[in-house]
Amino acid sequence: EADIYQTPRYLVIGTGKKITLECSQTMGHDKMYWYQQDPGMELHLIHYSYGVNSTEKGDLSSESTVSRIRTEHFPLTLESARPSHTSQYLCASSDHGGDTEAFFGQGTRLTVV
Amino acid sequence: AQSVTQLDSQVPVFEEAPVELRCNYSSSVSVYLFWYVQYPNQGLQLLLKYLSGSTLVKGINGFEAEFNKSQTSFHLRKPSVHISDTAEYFCAVSPWGGGSYIPTFGRGTSLIVHP
Repeated sequence: EADIYQTPRYLVIGTGKKITLECSQTMGHDKMYWYQQDPGMELHLIHYSYGVNSTEKGDLSSESTVSRIRTEHFPLTLESARPSHTSQYLCASSDHGGDTEAFFGQGTRLTVV
Repeated sequence: AQSVTQLDSQVPVFEEAPVELRCNYSSSVSVYLFWYVQYPNQGLQLLLKYLSGSTLVKGINGFEAEFNKSQTSFHLRKPSVHISDTAEYFCAVSPWGGGSYIPTFGRGTSLIVHP
């Protein structure tokens, strides 16, 4: 079944730790995205990719980095986690073209203590 | 650049009552329009989308939305809500005819259905 997966679902980690949030999709989509979601706020685009070896920063300034070595995989890395990084992170993918819907993973809720 | 405004952060309603969730957008180019729903502890899933043609579009779970170009609005409606409709609803736009095709989302409207 075509789907998009995020791991872990929940993560509590100490300040200064390096973390990687995983995202994989089985739909063969070229475009992938990372959004940050806080209660009552817009979904903020932090990174996106048009395909393998393509990565771009989004509207929201972020200290995270991403890579796209394979079509299906789009991990997000925080080199040194801080309490201000506490949030929900949503990964999504879509086919090329603005008329296609985005498919979302279930999200990773990150808490930095 | 595009922006999406969802005017209501929270909409409480009783079961079987009608509901309207409002969405206005601004864009320097033409856009496609979407509504997504997010149930607790889940990702977003598509409710419906407007690409072209009839301005009234029907989606899943009995929802529909009407595109109004002059008012740059895309309000979501349901004639009779159910408890299971309690969720967060997001309006989104995506540019066409040149552009990055990256969707822009509103801040969401929390629909709370009371028994």
